[in-house]
Amino acid sequence: QKEVEQNSGPLSVPEGAIASLNCTYSDRGSQSFFWYRQYSGKSPELIMFIYSNGDKEDGRFTAQLNKASQYVSLLIRDSQPSDSATYLCAGKNAGGTSYGKLTFGQGTILTVHP
Amino acid sequence: NAGVTQTPKFRILKIGQSMTLQCAQDMNHNYMYWYRQDPGMGLKLIYYSVGAGITDKGEVPNGYNVSRSTTEDFPLRLELAAPSQTSVYFCASSRTSGTPLSYEQYFGPGTRLTVT
Repeated sequence: QKEVEQNSGPLSVPEGAIASLNCTYSDRGSQSFFWYRQYSGKSPELIMFIYSNGDKEDGRFTAQLNKASQYVSLLIRDSQPSDSATYLCAGKNAGGTSYGKLTFGQGTILTVHP
Repeated sequence: NAGVTQTPKFRILKIGQSMTLQCAQDMNHNYMYWYRQDPGMGLKLIYYSVGAGITDKGEVPNGYNVSRSTTEDFPLRLELAAPSQTSVYFCASSRTSGTPLSYEQYFGPGTRLTVT
């Protein structure tokens, strides 16, 4: 079973809409989660980080974490064509020999059309 | 700071050839990682290192080798290249000092490798 699963996508939303990206994880010990954005042909870059239950907002981006249900989400408000990219969810492994490493989901491709 | 740098950017190998992908970081990070990313897929961990002289396998280590003689450098060696190793390779590093955000990984620009 994959440890971090993302909604398969691809996801297409109109400009100005809210894009909702979801991620579930199986390691209940995972405590920190990272959302990376990856433009085509480029390397991943961090856009949001969350480790407390609840919401964390940064500009048009809101990350949500629900540890009881083991899901993480990323909301992008007022979506722009420049938000079109692949979004990768990653969880920090809890312990043992995997300590400190991140486990990445398979990514969700988002397209924002004008 | 240059961050994480990788060379080369592109490379075409023939089956059976060998090569080394170079990775360096100037952020004094203790953890370093090598990933491969196949088209439309996420990142798969090949090898990682928690410090100079210490390396360990990730989920897809077969066909690869690494070494870490300094904090800054973490080269990835491909021996006897196979078509299945055609992929984009990313090197990353993190401080991993115990605080939540210290686990953030910083990525290099990637190496696009084709084996024919």
